Order: sequence, then C-alpha cells, then structure tokens
Amino acid sequence: QKEVEQNSGPLSVPEGAIASLNCTYSDRGSQSFFWYRQYSGKSPELIMSIYSNGDKEDGRFTAQLNKASQYVSLLIRDSQPSDSATYLCAVILLGAGSYQLTFGKGTKLSVIP
Amino acid sequence: SAVISQKPSRDICQRGTSLTIQCQVDSQVTMMFWYRQQPGQSLTLIATANQGSEATYESGFVIDKFPISRPNLTFSTLTVSNMSPEDSSIYLCSVGEGPTNEKLFFGSGTQLSVL
Repeated sequence: QKEVEQNSGPLSVPEGAIASLNCTYSDRGSQSFFWYRQYSGKSPELIMSIYSNGDKEDGRFTAQLNKASQYVSLLIRDSQPSDSATYLCAVILLGAGSYQLTFGKGTKLSVIP
Repeated sequence: SAVISQKPSRDICQRGTSLTIQCQVDSQVTMMFWYRQQPGQSLTLIATANQGSEATYESGFVIDKFPISRPNLTFSTLTVSNMSPEDSSIYLCSVGEGPTNEKLFFGSGTQLSVL
C-alpha cells in the first residue's frame, strides 16, 4: 500500500518568514514528486515538480528531495498572507506502462500578517 | 496548460437520485481523470477515462455507481448514481500533461451534498 504522509497542521508562520512543509512516502520506487496548492474552496494547482535528489528552486519556492530518506519538502521564502492555503504532496511511481499518483492529505499553512 | 470547465459547481441532491457532472477541456487530451476529495481527506482517484474505451476504475469504485462517458477527446461526464450522504464530497476532473500525464491540472470542482 503506497502512502504519502503530511502533517495536517495548521502550520502558522509570520509574514516574511520561511515556511517549511514536509512529506514522507512509503514506496522506494517513487520517481516523481509534486506539490499542489489548494486555496479554500478551490481546486488544487500544481506549483512544483521534482524528479532528482537535491533542490529545485522556482521564485520563492524550493522543493527538496531526498530519495534515500523518502522525504520531500517545500520551502516558501518570504511567506506572504496570499500563501495561506493547503499544500498537497503527491508522489508517482512509474512502471509497467502505468502509474498511480498518490496524494497526501495536505498541510494547511497560515501566514500571519 | 489546458483550461478545464466543470459543471455544476455545486449541487444539493436527495438520497437515491443521480447527478451527472460534466467536464470540458479546451484542447484534445488522451486521458481524463476523475477524483474525489472528501472533507479532511486526500484526493482519491475514481477512474481514468480514455476516449474510445471503457473507463478504468480504481479499487473501491465501480462502474454501476460511477458510470463515466468519454465521447470525444475534449469532454467527459461522471455520474454519481443512487446517491447516499456518504457520497457528499468534492468531485474533480483533471487532465495530465507531460510524458506520462504526470502533471495534473484540475477543473474547478463540483461540491456535492446529499441529504
């Protein structure tokens, strides 16, 4: 049974701080990793993807992947109130011509002005 | 990314009835996906809809309960049949991009409440 675990939060950070969101996954064969942002009452929106160990930066967002530890994280620098949302981690295993994208339950982030 | 229109955006239904959710994409896509998001839960894949073939259902979901149509490369419907309060959820259609459709883009969702 493939699982993706996230701390449900809420995670509260002051405006301007770094928000750190964490995700662990159970399947060592996982190949692709994604972070989605979901505002309340809205559908998820893809914000980051990462496939290789290390860091991937996109603006204020940095995704970090450590396959040996089965751990992926999302850092949000200079957090803004508009970053307040639920962040979903998603993991995919490629193989046998098909794949299964598995989502975590999400971490709710609150950025306090 | 594709623009995905989904309707209705919300509905309140009576137990035992059925609701059909429509999903329209502004470009041709091979695979469309239907997800459910129950309160406090993660997104769960219901089925994958390919044009010209039967939908592929995930464990715990059956065609009689969630029939899917995929008449062309830009449109799909999901029907929630014989509804019960346990079916109250957000239903989302999505399309994938990338070599294996791994990057998902979602419609606006349908908030379903069953009384």
